[in-house]
Amino acid sequence: DQQVKQNSPSLSVQEGRISILNCDYTNSMFDYFLWYKKYPAEGPTFLISISSIKDKNEDGRFTVFLNKSAKHLSLHIVPSQPGDSAVYFCAASKRGGADGLTFGKGTHLIIQP
Amino acid sequence: GAGVSQSPRYKVAKRGQDVALRCDPISGHVSLFWYQQALGQGPEFLTYFQNEAQLDKSGLPSDRFFAERPEGSVSTLKIQRTQQEDSAVYLCASSRGTGLFGYTFGSGTRLTVV
Repeated sequence: DQQVKQNSPSLSVQEGRISILNCDYTNSMFDYFLWYKKYPAEGPTFLISISSIKDKNEDGRFTVFLNKSAKHLSLHIVPSQPGDSAVYFCAASKRGGADGLTFGKGTHLIIQP
Repeated sequence: GAGVSQSPRYKVAKRGQDVALRCDPISGHVSLFWYQQALGQGPEFLTYFQNEAQLDKSGLPSDRFFAERPEGSVSTLKIQRTQQEDSAVYLCASSRGTGLFGYTFGSGTRLTVV
């Protein structure tokens, strides 16, 4: 039973355009959401997060949007750059992370020149 | 250290063999987590330590899996009588306090059981 779902295994975007990665969750107890970026043979690297009391958080080229009523969040990357090519994981936590993080299966983002 | 260090990076084990995977968290980090990432999947929570206390081991898939952190620093994940389904990347993460602040992953140990 997947509590965090990333329904697109892969996404291809042209350099300079906007990349939008989507994530859905089912557990209404989740109160904090994170996006991680992962290169091959490396551990996940934290990218951006959002608390459930907010609906938007921005950091440079990265913006995360949260729609609590739809249990949906998205990560926007604009403009997309070649170095953004990686696997992106959506993760959720409850109780401030003390239970660990629940991850989606990831979306492989490919930025084409 | 500067980051979370895991060793070995790669481990090949014969089915039935016992293995031990090591995690060196960031110095001073209170919390330590272990995750298992199967091929094509996201990381799945295994167990959580706060200092030397194992507060949650609900994610350990069977009693063949055992984790310890005796001095509240280095942690070892031990898998007894390895099976093919144990093949995965095992990730360790540590954080400064009891929550997500400074949550940092290591590069993982890729275990292949043959």
